[in-house]
Amino acid sequence: EIVLTQSPATLSLSPGERATLSCRASQSVSSYLAWYQQKPGQAPRLLIYDASNRATGIPVRFSGSGSGTDFILIISSLEPEDSAVYYCLQRSNWPLTFGGGTKVEIK
Amino acid sequence: EVQLLESGGGLVQPGGSLRLSCAASGFTFSSYAMSWVRQAPGKGLEWVSALSGNGGNTYYADSVKGRFTISRDNSKNTLYLQMNSLRAGDMAVYYCAKAFSGWANFDYWGQGTLVTVSS
Repeated sequence: EIVLTQSPATLSLSPGERATLSCRASQSVSSYLAWYQQKPGQAPRLLIYDASNRATGIPVRFSGSGSGTDFILIISSLEPEDSAVYYCLQRSNWPLTFGGGTKVEIK
Repeated sequence: EVQLLESGGGLVQPGGSLRLSCAASGFTFSSYAMSWVRQAPGKGLEWVSALSGNGGNTYYADSVKGRFTISRDNSKNTLYLQMNSLRAGDMAVYYCAKAFSGWANFDYWGQGTLVTVSS
């Protein structure tokens, strides 16, 4: 099973600041990695798929990069509504696995 | 408009069974792989099971293999998850999710249904 390790566990930043979230895989997942945002009481929402493709309707301030084992999600200028938990998900191998999540707090 | 509506959650005793349903609308259901993803209270997301559009291919997390069965009825636009031998560790909100490409780029999710396992 591929283990995804997300860091940091929590990120506390002010509006307008840049957030950098990391997801590291225990073995190569090529570019088969997605990022999801989940707000309390809501279902997850797809942000980025296949490492760097923004999903429909996702603001341009969200961007993804990486391949192999190391991936980054960047929120270029934080908005108050970006407060959420962010998860990465790999679809390279079965079983599909999620990372443990990064909580982004807006000061 | 794409909609996924889960039902069937509730309280069940350890060792019991439950069947979840996910009613889909707004897209050609049979053309897309579907998955179940769960989230224990206060915890992260865990993928549970996936099923191809024609129902011919299934995949399971090790934690549920042999106990859960995923299926679909494309004539009813409905996805199912039969859960047997339920344990305390299965207690979670269960989401169904539609994959728009491949098996796991989930562009639509249901609102979730809560399964509580307790005596």
